[in-house]
Amino acid sequence: QVQLKESGPGLVQPSETLSLTCTVSGFSLTSYSVSWVRQPSGKGPEWMGRMWYDGDTAYNSALKSRLSISRDTSKNQVFLKMNSLQTDDTGTYYCTRDPVMDAWGQGASVTVSS
Amino acid sequence: DIQMTQSPASLSASLGETVTIECRASEDIYSNLAWYQQKPGNSPQLLIYDANSLADGVPSRFSGSGSGTQYSLKINSLQSEDVASYFCQQYNNYPYTFGAGTKLELK
Repeated sequence: QVQLKESGPGLVQPSETLSLTCTVSGFSLTSYSVSWVRQPSGKGPEWMGRMWYDGDTAYNSALKSRLSISRDTSKNQVFLKMNSLQTDDTGTYYCTRDPVMDAWGQGASVTVSS
Repeated sequence: DIQMTQSPASLSASLGETVTIECRASEDIYSNLAWYQQKPGNSPQLLIYDANSLADGVPSRFSGSGSGTQYSLKINSLQSEDVASYFCQQYNNYPYTFGAGTKLELK
């Protein structure tokens, strides 16, 4: 059964760094790519970036200067780090299985506030 | 970036009715389009990929069509469990982009 699960802090201070982990099961990170997608409350989703199955990465140019995606295949985990957080980074953060997003995690709610 | 314009923003329909949601891309996306359903408090779920291919486990009353810059999602015989928000998404070019969504309610 394909599963993805996001974990990380729910509250982040402005200007601080967000660190999230996506733990996957039921498929291999060396066979499938994983994307990070975020969604502000009441709005459409925004694609943030992707970890390719071969270890390459792709980023949304709007976030590229602040965003880093990495992985640990031995632990079946993909990581997201984004720095310089502001209040408009508040929302739900999802990891999804690619190439089409046929499986999503439950989402991690992130609030940026002091 | 490719802009995805979705219409209508909201829609009210009766049980058993047929509903159509439109999505227009700002340039040709060569059918690299997906549709997702999102119920309140839940993650989006894939309905359609490659513009017209039904995802596993999705009821056959859902269908997708279109090409070039114009795409649509049709729901035949609307059921109560179809009340949700629907999003289109292009995956032809980086950055992948989503429509703003259509909120479907029962009349």
